[in-house]
Amino acid sequence: EVQLVQSGAEVKKPGESLKISCKGSGYSFTSYWIGWVRQMPGKGLEWMGIIYPGDSDTRYSPSFQGQVTISADKSISTAYLQWSSLKASDTAMYYCASPGTSGYDLDYWGQGTLVTVSS
Amino acid sequence: DIQMTQSPSSVSASVGDRVTITCRASQGISSWLAWYQQKPGKAPKLLIYAASSLQSGVPSRFSGSGSGTDFTLTISSLQPEDFATYYCQQANSFPPTFGQGTKLEIK
Repeated sequence: EVQLVQSGAEVKKPGESLKISCKGSGYSFTSYWIGWVRQMPGKGLEWMGIIYPGDSDTRYSPSFQGQVTISADKSISTAYLQWSSLKASDTAMYYCASPGTSGYDLDYWGQGTLVTVSS
Repeated sequence: DIQMTQSPSSVSASVGDRVTITCRASQGISSWLAWYQQKPGKAPKLLIYAASSLQSGVPSRFSGSGSGTDFTLTISSLQPEDFATYYCQQANSFPPTFGQGTKLEIK
């Protein structure tokens, strides 16, 4: 069974850095793309970017390019989403999700990580 | 980016009703369209891919149709567990983009 398990909720102050994680299991981690999706409070879904852990090929949606960094460590089957300097507007639920080996239909989802940025 | 527009933004319906949600793409996307269901406090769930293919385990009362720029999601007979928010997403080109969502509420 494919599972994506995300790290726990975070509360941070503006300007702080953060790295959240998404651990894959039940499949070949290097063969499935993993994407990140943002959902701000009470709002819709926004695709942030995607990574192929096999070769670290990474693509960012224009709105998120330069704002976050997506990475993966295939030795521990884990993908990451990180910020170098958080803003209050980064407060949101963040989901990792996978379309499997190709495409953009998100078959598998993590449970979400709530990030709260407040002074 | 391709813009996806759903209508209506919200709809009230009763158990047993037939409901249709529409999604329009700002440019042609062939059949590269997915539908998701999201319940409060939960991650979205893939219902339909390739515009009309039912994801494994999804009840047959859900169906999708369309191609090009205009798509529909139909729930043939609403069940209590179907009250949720539904999103379309184009899977034709990067970046994939979602519609704004349609909230299906109990009348």
